[in-house]
This record gives sequence, C-alpha cells and structure tokens, in this order.
Amino acid sequence: QKEVEQDPGPLSVPEGAIVSLNCTYSNSAFQYFMWYRQYSRKGPELLMYTYSSGNKEDGRFTAQVDKSSKYISLFIRDSQPSDSATYLCAMREYSGAGSYQLTFGKGTKLSVIP
Amino acid sequence: ETGVTQSPTHLIKTRGQQVTLRCSSQSGHNTVSWYQQALGQGPQFIFQYYREEENGRGNFPPRFSGLQFPNYSSELNVNALELDDSALYLCASSLLAGGRETQYFGPGTRLLVL
Repeated sequence: QKEVEQDPGPLSVPEGAIVSLNCTYSNSAFQYFMWYRQYSRKGPELLMYTYSSGNKEDGRFTAQVDKSSKYISLFIRDSQPSDSATYLCAMREYSGAGSYQLTFGKGTKLSVIP
Repeated sequence: ETGVTQSPTHLIKTRGQQVTLRCSSQSGHNTVSWYQQALGQGPQFIFQYYREEENGRGNFPPRFSGLQFPNYSSELNVNALELDDSALYLCASSLLAGGRETQYFGPGTRLLVL
C-alpha cells in the first residue's frame, strides 16, 4: 500500500460545477497537508497549505483535513476552464531538524468543460 | 511565478551518459529539494540540501548526487543514465523557519534518455 493514495481520474466536469478531489494516507506522522496545481509541462504551484484538522478556505478553494480518518479533500466552487490541470496532494511529517520531504499522490487530472 | 528557475528546460541524453541539471532558488531561501516526476506520477523526493549540506535523501541510488552553493543555487548530477531516468526533474526552494516550511517549485527540466 502506498503512503498516499489519490485517484488519477481523469475527471471531467461542466463549467460552474463543484469539484471534489480527495487523498487518503496511511502514515499517522503526516502533519502538514498541501494541494498543488500543475498545468501541462509546468512545475507544481502551491494552492493550499493546512496543518490541523478542519477546513481552510481561500477564494473558490476549500481544503479539508480529517486526521482521524486520514483523509484530505480539496473543493473547487464555480469551476472554470482555467482550473483544468492536474491536482496533486502532498504531505509531510513534522521534523525539527531533519529533512522536509514531501510525499505526493499521483495527481488527479481535471478538465472543466465550457 | 515562484522565482525558482531551472536550466535547461529540455535535455536528451543516451544511456550511460552523465547529466547536470541546475536550479536557482527563490531569493532568501536556504533550502533546496529535488524531485523526479515520471509521466503520470506524482513527484518523488530525491534529496534535500540545507546550507550546502545534504539534509535528507529519498530512495534513489548514489549515482544521483547534488550540490548546493553559497548563493543557494543547486545542481543535480546523475551518472550512468538509464532509460528509466527519463522524467521531469523539479527543484523546490524553501525557507526553514520554526518547523513551518513551504516548498515552491520551479518549472522543471524534462530529461529524455535514449
């Protein structure tokens, strides 16, 4: 079993729809959770960064973390064609003096159809 | 734009050759991480450098090596290239500060090994 599981899709939705993207993880030591967006042939771009369980909202994006279920989600409201990209979840352990390596999911490819 | 730059953008090598990839970190960042992203996969952690010292390493063989320079630019060297080394190589810079650290990615170097 991989440490981080993410459905690769592809996921296709009409413009204006609410999108739900999810990851599950097995490592209880993960404490920091991130969502990155990656356009084709580009590097990942940080969208959301959360530490504790609960919700964090930023514009049309909401990140949700449930540490008890080891489950994180990203919701996109009023989706736009420009949201079409691959969405990567990433997480890491707290490490006072060690490395801060990120463990990524495979990414979910999203297409928003006009 | 994250302020992280990488060169070259694309590279073609043959099996057995050696390659050097370069990264210029965002101003003020003291840490650089390198990741390998195979087609259709999430990035995999190679190693991290903090103040010119290797600070952590993923599951990659010793033929993957790196350097970080006093100006926080960095190199990834890969010896004895194999076909499976074909991937997008990403560097990410960050500032270690009190346990909270966010990694910002460059656009990547796409390496093809023939």
